[in-house]
Amino acid sequence: AQSVTQLDSQVPVFEEAPVELRCNYSSSVSVYLFWYVQYPNQGLQLLLKYLSGSTLVKGINGFEAEFNKSQTSFHLRKPSVHISDTAEYFCAVSDTGNQFYFGTGTSLTVIP
Amino acid sequence: GAGVSQTPSNKVTEKGKYVELRCDPISGHTALYWYRQSLGQGPEFLIYFQGTGAADDSGLPNDRFFAVRPEGSVSTLKIQRTERGDSAVYLCASSLWGGHTGELFFGEGSRLTVL
Repeated sequence: AQSVTQLDSQVPVFEEAPVELRCNYSSSVSVYLFWYVQYPNQGLQLLLKYLSGSTLVKGINGFEAEFNKSQTSFHLRKPSVHISDTAEYFCAVSDTGNQFYFGTGTSLTVIP
Repeated sequence: GAGVSQTPSNKVTEKGKYVELRCDPISGHTALYWYRQSLGQGPEFLIYFQGTGAADDSGLPNDRFFAVRPEGSVSTLKIQRTERGDSAVYLCASSLWGGHTGELFFGEGSRLTVL
């Protein structure tokens, strides 16, 4: 089975500052990797995904993530955050494409 | 509607009662997932349907939990003899091809509180 570790449960950051949310996974096989965002009182939405190809993937709202196979990481980054980015962010991994394993989430709070 | 719809949005019940939670996926999506999210945790996989059949039910915690999808569209998660530990948000998601495209579309969840 896969597992996902999100190292930071809470990340406060000032508006317009850069942010990195860390994600590591454990797997002995090829995986698909995802970041989902959950805004207050809303369902989870896909931010970006890595299925194959370029290890740097770009998503919605200016977010990007880099797949690093040797470090089994898929960290999420944004060069300049906005107040509207305040939300819960979940990293997820799937090996078969059928079962998705989620991390415990990182709460991003953007401070004005 | 265009998205995944879950009802009820909130359910409060007493310990020992029976509960049904409904999920209406996006039209045409063949794959349907149920997850459970407890406070401060990520979504925990329960069961996955491909069409009418449960392709993977390894996440169901015990035999009090059961889910059906008789016509390959709407799904119902059934919980018998509810316990306080069952309190959580139950999330439903659907996908066109069972996940290989990478995108699960989630509903807003059904918050279950067992008193």
